[in-house]
Amino acid sequence: SQTIHQWPATLVQPVGSPLSLECTVEGTSNPNLYWYRQAAGRGLQLLFYSVGIGQISSEVPQNLSASRPQDRQFILSSKKLLLSDSGFYLCAWSVSGGNTIYFGEGSWLTVV
Amino acid sequence: GDSVTQMEGPVTLSEEACLTINCTYTATGYPSLFWYVQYPGEGLQLLLKATKADDKGSNKGFEATYRKETTSFHLEKGSVQVSDSAVYFCALTSSGGSYIPTFGRGTSLIVHP
Repeated sequence: SQTIHQWPATLVQPVGSPLSLECTVEGTSNPNLYWYRQAAGRGLQLLFYSVGIGQISSEVPQNLSASRPQDRQFILSSKKLLLSDSGFYLCAWSVSGGNTIYFGEGSWLTVV
Repeated sequence: GDSVTQMEGPVTLSEEACLTINCTYTATGYPSLFWYVQYPGEGLQLLLKATKADDKGSNKGFEATYRKETTSFHLEKGSVQVSDSAVYFCALTSSGGSYIPTFGRGTSLIVHP
């Protein structure tokens, strides 16, 4: 069966520091991968999605970036965090061409 | 473009009450429809789905029927429990080949003992 893991689960970072959140999917090949952010108020904001290695699409211009160095690995990064980057970050995957998306456990980021 | 509209929350119920959370959608073609549940501090879990008109998705006592004529996918449960307290998201994926789901804003459910 397929599983998705993301880490770290909780992160407290000072303003201006770098960020790296990692996500790995097991048990499938060539998945579509997604990064979402969920700020207070519950709504989901799609940040990036990827349909293959090195193929990243950005939905929202900001100081975050994403990379997919391996087929089942998706990384969310920032060179300098802002207070507004605080939130709950969710990685997700779907089968290529599939209609169902599955989420990881989420990562809480607090920028102080 | 595609859109999903959910009823505003929070929905507050007593244990064993009946639940309905409304969800309507706008999409071209024949989308697949989903309900996700998010418990406090956790990621979203797929609760149920339906892929064609008149399909009924069900799981853990929850059910929802794909109504194409009313473009709706309302979530129902006959008797809620305190453990059902969570945020519920309605979502769709378009049949037009897009692999990016469209989510509603979520509805918070609070169940009191």
